[in-house]
This record gives sequence, structure tokens and C-alpha cells, in this order.
Amino acid sequence: AQSVAQPEDQVNVAEGNPLTVKCTYSVSGNPYLFWYVQYPNRGLQFLLKYITGDNLVKGSYGFEAEFNKSQTSFHLKKPSALVSDSALYFCAVRLSNTGKLIFGQGTTLQVKP
Amino acid sequence: DTGVSQNPRHKITKRGQNVTFRCDPISEHNRLYWYRQTLGQGPEFLTYFQNEAQLEKSRLLSDRFSAERPKGSFSTLEIQRTEQGDSAMYLCASSSLDRNGEKLFFGSGTQLSVL
Repeated sequence: AQSVAQPEDQVNVAEGNPLTVKCTYSVSGNPYLFWYVQYPNRGLQFLLKYITGDNLVKGSYGFEAEFNKSQTSFHLKKPSALVSDSALYFCAVRLSNTGKLIFGQGTTLQVKP
Repeated sequence: DTGVSQNPRHKITKRGQNVTFRCDPISEHNRLYWYRQTLGQGPEFLTYFQNEAQLEKSRLLSDRFSAERPKGSFSTLEIQRTEQGDSAMYLCASSSLDRNGEKLFFGSGTQLSVL
């Protein structure tokens, strides 16, 4: 069965430190991978996606993600965290021949000053 | 505001009542999705439309749920005979396809509470 796992419910980092939010997936076929962010009382916002090509994908707000096919991972990273990055982050996968996303359960990122 | 709009923002109803939610997508987007999100979980796919055609429905979408997009613009999601387990955030998203693929834009959702 297709699935996405985010093994950490919460990630805590200090402002200015690098951050990593982990995601692994299990799908058949070639996946399209996404990261979304959800702020309180707001809709999910697109951060970045991997379709094909370079394994390192750059997205909004200084975030990037690294696709690793052998480890079936798509970890979200940022070199220097901001307090304003504190939010709920979702990893998602879309199969190439369907129109739906399968989301992970989400990881809360807390960036402390 | 040219984003995805959902109404109402909140709905409180009694068990057994019918409820209807509306989604207005971004005007040039031809795909529209409905998702459901419960506390502590990621959104779960319910159904999607391409223009007015409903192309896929999840097994989560019981026969009490129906979605329409009659003119390929706005969409409604109706839940009949609501149950307490229907309490969730219902999210709508729209998208279009271009050479870079598909990107979903989500609305802020309708929070349903069934008492």
C-alpha cells in the first residue's frame, strides 16, 4: 500500500540553527513528492516539489529538500531556522497516474529564539 | 482575494442533520479536490473533479457524502445524516496543469463539529 511516514511528531531547533524534517515514502512506480506547510487558521501552503531531475530541490522561504531514491526519503531542510518557520509541515506523495496526494501525519516544527 | 475560498469557516450541527459546504476555486483552475483532516493527522483524499467530471472517489466517501461541481466552477460537498465521526476539517484545493506539473492551492477549510 502507498504510504508516507513522518517519524517525528515534533522537531525543536534554536533560531539560526539548521533544521531537518524527515519524510519517507512507500509507493510503487515513480513518485511525485511534495512538502506543504500549515500555519494556524490558514490553509496548506505549497513549499516545494520533486518530479524528476536534480535530487536537491529548492523551494519557498529558503527551504530545500533532498530526494534519495535508495532510502525512499525526501527530507526537508533549511540552513538557518527562523522563529517564523514554526508551523506544521506535511510531506506528501502523488503517483504519476493519479490526481490525489497521500499525506504524512505531519511534523510540528518549533523554532525557539 | 484570488485564492481558494471555502464557506462556511465553521459549522456546528446535531447528529442526523444534513450539512453542505461550498468551495470556490481559483478561477482558471480546472481541477478541484476535497480532503478531510482530523486532529493530529494529515489530510485524507476524498474526491476530485476535472472541470465538471468527478474522476475519482475515495473509499472514505460513504454513500452519505456527495460532491458536485455542476458548471466546472464552484463545488459543494454534502453530508447527509451526519455522525459524530464526521467531525473534521474539510479542505478544498484547486490546481491546474502546466509544463511544471500540478500544484495544489488549498483553502482555509470548513471545520465541522457534529454534536
